[in-house]
Amino acid sequence: TQLLEQSPQFLSIQEGENLTVYCNSSSVFSSLQWYRQEPGEGPVLLVTVVTGGEVKKLKRLTFQFGDARKDSSLHITAAQPGDTGLYLCALGGIQGAQKLVFGQGTRLTINP
Amino acid sequence: NAGVTQTPKFRVLKTGQSMTLLCAQDMNHEYMYWYRQDPGMGLRLIHYSVGEGTTAKGEVPDGYNVSRLKKQNFLLGLESAAPSQTSVYFCASTPLRGRGTEAFFGQGTRLTVV
Repeated sequence: TQLLEQSPQFLSIQEGENLTVYCNSSSVFSSLQWYRQEPGEGPVLLVTVVTGGEVKKLKRLTFQFGDARKDSSLHITAAQPGDTGLYLCALGGIQGAQKLVFGQGTRLTINP
Repeated sequence: NAGVTQTPKFRVLKTGQSMTLLCAQDMNHEYMYWYRQDPGMGLRLIHYSVGEGTTAKGEVPDGYNVSRLKKQNFLLGLESAAPSQTSVYFCASTPLRGRGTEAFFGQGTRLTVV
């Protein structure tokens, strides 16, 4: 069973459209991170959210942490082909453990 | 600053062969991780280490062993490779695992077992 569930798994949209992807868990997070991975590369950190209800913006990307700290969303405004990639959410510190666990990812394709 | 370096980048093994994947980091990080990435599965944690001389099992440890004899190196071993171990392997490190700690990844090792 997956500790973190991401949806959708695949998303293909046209340039200029908006989109939202989600990361959910039955557990409460102490913090949650979003990474982006491009083909042939390792994941790179986009943002970390630590407070329930927190909203962070990174240019056209908006990240939100749920009030109960069990879910998070990533919204992209006016998507561009450069946004194409695999988006992964990750969390650590589960029940005091030190491991870093990832969701299965959302593979996003932005078509010109 | 090299960051996290994985060796080799590509490898083809025959079933039953053994090999070791090397991960080296030059950031003096305490924590290191090995993941495998299969299509549609995201990153699954194999083993991790919270410091020199320590290792722990992750989500999918069977068929793998690890060692952390030096702080900067984390080795992943396959004693008898199986086709099910065909995957892309990623190593990562973090300075510690508090809230908001960024993980730095290597570029991956693509392993094919035939």
